[in-house]
Order: sequence, then structure tokens, then C-alpha cells
Amino acid sequence: AQSVSQHNHHVILSEAASLELGCNYSYGGTVNLFWYVQYPGQHLQLLLKYFSGDPLVKGIKGFEAEFIKSKFSFNLRKPSVQWSDTAEYFCAALGGGADGLTFGKGTHLIIQP
Amino acid sequence: SAVISQKPSRDICQRGTSLTIQCQVDSQVTMMFWYRQQPGQSLTLIATANQGSEATYESGFVIDKFPISRPNLTFSTLTVSNMSPEDSSIYLCSADRSGGTEAFFGQGTRLTVV
Repeated sequence: AQSVSQHNHHVILSEAASLELGCNYSYGGTVNLFWYVQYPGQHLQLLLKYFSGDPLVKGIKGFEAEFIKSKFSFNLRKPSVQWSDTAEYFCAALGGGADGLTFGKGTHLIIQP
Repeated sequence: SAVISQKPSRDICQRGTSLTIQCQVDSQVTMMFWYRQQPGQSLTLIATANQGSEATYESGFVIDKFPISRPNLTFSTLTVSNMSPEDSSIYLCSADRSGGTEAFFGQGTRLTVV
């Protein structure tokens, strides 16, 4: 079965720091990968997604992620975080015959002003 | 994008009772999904709800406990039956219009069973 692992459950950064959140997936076949964000009190929103092509994917709000097939990884990055990036971030994968998404446990990101 | 309205947004229920959660999408969608997010845990898929057929349940979830309806292409309900405190969780509705390319989520229903 498909599984998704997020390495960091809680991350605290200062404003303007660089961010990288790790995500690894288990399925070796064709897989679609996503990063979702959930701001306090709001619903899940799609940050970015990868299906094929350029492994470096750019999303909204300055986020990007790099798909590295050999490492089964899809890490999320942002060069300079802002206080408004405080949120819960979820990596998710679609593949292996599953209809719905398989989510990682999430990373709670706190940006200190 | 699709807008998904879910209600109730939260509820506190007595054990042994049932709660039905409604999910309304502002456009027709092929697939709808129900997820559960237990405290401190990730989102776990409960079932896939397709219009015109019975829901498909994931391992660990059964129809008697989580009956689902999908009467049309814009609406679905999830019932949490015979609730116990272990059912306290956030339940999320999701819709996918384009075969897995993007899933949209409702704001979730925070259920507390006492």
C-alpha cells in the first residue's frame, strides 16, 4: 500500500529564514504528488502538484517542490518565509491504484516575527 | 476550482447516537471522498463515494458504521453511526473533478463524542 512520510512534525522558523519540509512516498510506480496547506481555521488548499515533466514544480505564494524519483522524495521549499506562512502542511500522493489521496502526518510550521 | 460546503462545522454528540454530515459542491464532480483526521494524526481516507453506485470503503471502515449517500453529482452525506468517544475527529469531504489531478476540500466537521 502507498504510504507518505513527512519528516518534521513541528518546525519553528524566524521570518526570512529558508524552509524545506521533507516528504517521502513509498510507491514505485506512477504517482502524482501534492502539497496542501491548512491555515488556522481554514480548509485545505492546494499549494502545488506534480504529475510529470519538469521535476521542479512551482506553486502559489512562492513555494516550490522538487520531485526526485531516485529518492522517492518531494520536498517543499521556500527561500524566505513570512509570518503568514504559519500553517499545517500536508504532503499527499495519488497512485498505486488508490482512488483517494494518501496523506503524510503533516508538519506544523510556526513562523516567528 | 470547486467550492465545497460542509455542515455542520462542529458538533458535540452523545455516545450511541448518530450524526450525518452533509457535503455540497458548487459544481458537478465525478468523485467525492470522505476523510477522517484524528487528533495528531494524518488524514485517512474512509471511502470513495461515486454517484449511482455504492461507496467503496477503505480497510478498517465499514458501511454499517459509516453509511454514505451520493444522490447526485454535487452532494454527498456521511453518517457516523452509534458513536463512541473514539469517533471524535475531524471529518473532511473532498471532491475531484478531473480524475485525480486536483482534489478540493471542505472546511471539515469537528466531531466530539461525549
